[in-house]
Amino acid sequence: QQQVKQSPQSLIVQKGGIPIINCAYENTAFDYFPWYQQFPGKGPALLIAIRPDVSEKKEGRFTISFNKSAKQFSLHIMDSQPGDSATYFCAANSGGGADGLTFGKGTHLIIQP
Amino acid sequence: KAGVTQTPRYLIKTRGQQVTLSCSPISGHRSVSWYQQTPGQGLQFLFEYFSETQRNKGNFPGRFSGRQFSNSRSEMNVSTLELGDSALYLCASSWYGLAGEQYFGPGTRLTVT
Repeated sequence: QQQVKQSPQSLIVQKGGIPIINCAYENTAFDYFPWYQQFPGKGPALLIAIRPDVSEKKEGRFTISFNKSAKQFSLHIMDSQPGDSATYFCAANSGGGADGLTFGKGTHLIIQP
Repeated sequence: KAGVTQTPRYLIKTRGQQVTLSCSPISGHRSVSWYQQTPGQGLQFLFEYFSETQRNKGNFPGRFSGRQFSNSRSEMNVSTLELGDSALYLCASSWYGLAGEQYFGPGTRLTVT
């Protein structure tokens, strides 16, 4: 059972545009929602994370929007650049963290110059 | 501060053999967790070690095992390798454990022939 559904699988955006990646979860015990960026040949790098007590969090050009009632969260990348081209993963974890991070399947993002 | 390091970076083994992968966490981090990344299954949690004790375990067969040393370095062992074990094995370190921020290493690419 996939507990975190991520969409779209792939996304192409022009430079300066705002790519939006969405994730939906089922487990209401989840209370920590990080996003990771992964370049080919590298491990995932933590971008930004949110907990359910806030609806939005910004760090630089990256923003997470969180909708607890809908059990959805999304990543927005402002003023996107070709260097942002990578695979992005959403993830979720519950307070005890007994199951480790549950990851979405990933979104392959391409920012065209 | 140095990041998470993993050795070796690439490994080719034959079916039936065993393999040991190594991970050195960020200085001061006591939690080390391991994940398997494959194109089909995505990122899946294997297990977590904290202060030399396995605290949490994912849904993988007993052929996958690990340990952690007093300096927080961790090793993962896979016995009786199968073709399906070919994957990128990622190590992540954290100060608090699975409920906190996890920082990934570059991974070890294991190919089983």
